[in-house]
Amino acid sequence: GQNIDQPTEMTATEGAIVQINCTYQTSGFNGLFWYQQHAGEAPTFLSYNVLDGLEEKGRFSSFLSRSKGYSYLLLKELQMKDSASYLCAVRDSNYQLIWGAGTKLIIKP
Amino acid sequence: GAVVSQHPSWVICKSGTSVKIECRSLDFQATTMFWYRQFPKQSLMLMATSNEGSKATYEQGVEKDKFLINHASLTLSTLTVTSAHPEDSSFYICSARDPMTGDNSPLHFGNGTRLTVT
Repeated sequence: GQNIDQPTEMTATEGAIVQINCTYQTSGFNGLFWYQQHAGEAPTFLSYNVLDGLEEKGRFSSFLSRSKGYSYLLLKELQMKDSASYLCAVRDSNYQLIWGAGTKLIIKP
Repeated sequence: GAVVSQHPSWVICKSGTSVKIECRSLDFQATTMFWYRQFPKQSLMLMATSNEGSKATYEQGVEKDKFLINHASLTLSTLTVTSAHPEDSSFYICSARDPMTGDNSPLHFGNGTRLTVT
């Protein structure tokens, strides 16, 4: 079957750096997405990776290794507003999105 | 960027009644829209794919007669929860991709509808 694993919850300190990992086993691969979802709100798009390597976008970076079925989202200079759930999603060979359960990130002062 | 509008944001209804949720793409035409459901502390679950001008494609386990989907135009899809029951209480979210930005473009989500059935 298809599966995406991410930690359920992580805690970090304001101003610090945190890395959220995502591993996947899917039927084919056509890209990996990271979304941010604040409580009670819809997800918002953060990043997209289809080739191996690091994609940087401001304070957020996302890394992909297709051979390892692995990605991470790196958040720098954490702010209180970064407290949210972070969803990893993989597009399979049929271009269907497979969603992870999300990682709840708690930022402490 | 692409904007998807969803209405209403929240609704409370009595058991046995029907509720309609609208999803609009505001600045692009969406031949396909996706309807998700999300229970507390769980991930998104795809319910169905709405196809403009044709029947929706439902995921396994989702009742077609209970969750009616209509995609009558390139900018509007509706989800009607018929004969709602308390177990249908959930967060319903629609999404769409701007086809003009290529296959690799991300999904854009509406703000979601919080449905509470009493």
